Amino acid sequence: KNQVEQSPQSLIILEGKNCTLQCNYTVSPFSNLRWYKQDTGRGPVSLTIMTFSENTKSNGRYTATLDADTKQSSLHITASQLSDSASYICVVSEGGSYIPTFGRGTSLIVHP
Amino acid sequence: DTGVSQDPRHKITKRGQNVTFRCDPISEHNRLYWYRQTLGQGPEFLTYFQNEAQLEKSRLLSDRFSAERPKGSFSTLEIQRTEQGDSAMYLCASSGQGQSTDTQYFGPGTRLTVL
Repeated sequence: KNQVEQSPQSLIILEGKNCTLQCNYTVSPFSNLRWYKQDTGRGPVSLTIMTFSENTKSNGRYTATLDADTKQSSLHITASQLSDSASYICVVSEGGSYIPTFGRGTSLIVHP
Repeated sequence: DTGVSQDPRHKITKRGQNVTFRCDPISEHNRLYWYRQTLGQGPEFLTYFQNEAQLEKSRLLSDRFSAERPKGSFSTLEIQRTEQGDSAMYLCASSGQGQSTDTQYFGPGTRLTVL
């Protein structure tokens, strides 16, 4: 069964600090991995997408990494802002399928 | 605003009633997805369409759930004889070119509360 596990479940940091969120998956065959940001009460918004051949992708202060051998990904947030407070969801797609597998998300709270 | 709209944004209903939600995807997108999300969980896949064809349905989609996309544009999701366990956020997403790497753009969701 395809699974996507995220850690930590929740994280509290001070404004301006960096943080790293983790994603481990068992989806096979692998097609691509996305990170989404979901604000409370809103739909998820795509941050990055990586295919098998890519091991890093940046979007402003967000940098995602992918190790397809160990089936791990991370999302690094630099110089956090209050607006970064949200849930961050890792989503992995299986080759040949249009149905992705979602992780439960990491809830990030940035305090002033 | 991603360009995907959902209506209504909130729905409160009594157990046993029927409810219908609407999703308007980005106009040039041919794929449309429905997901359900409960508090503290990631979205769970329900069903998806390519144009007007419903290509796959999750086992989560019981006989009380039905989805349509009659002209390959907007879609509706109907829940008959609602149960308290149906309370959740119902998300719609659309994507463009039909490749698995296409980004899915999500709507704001419809939050359903069944009393």
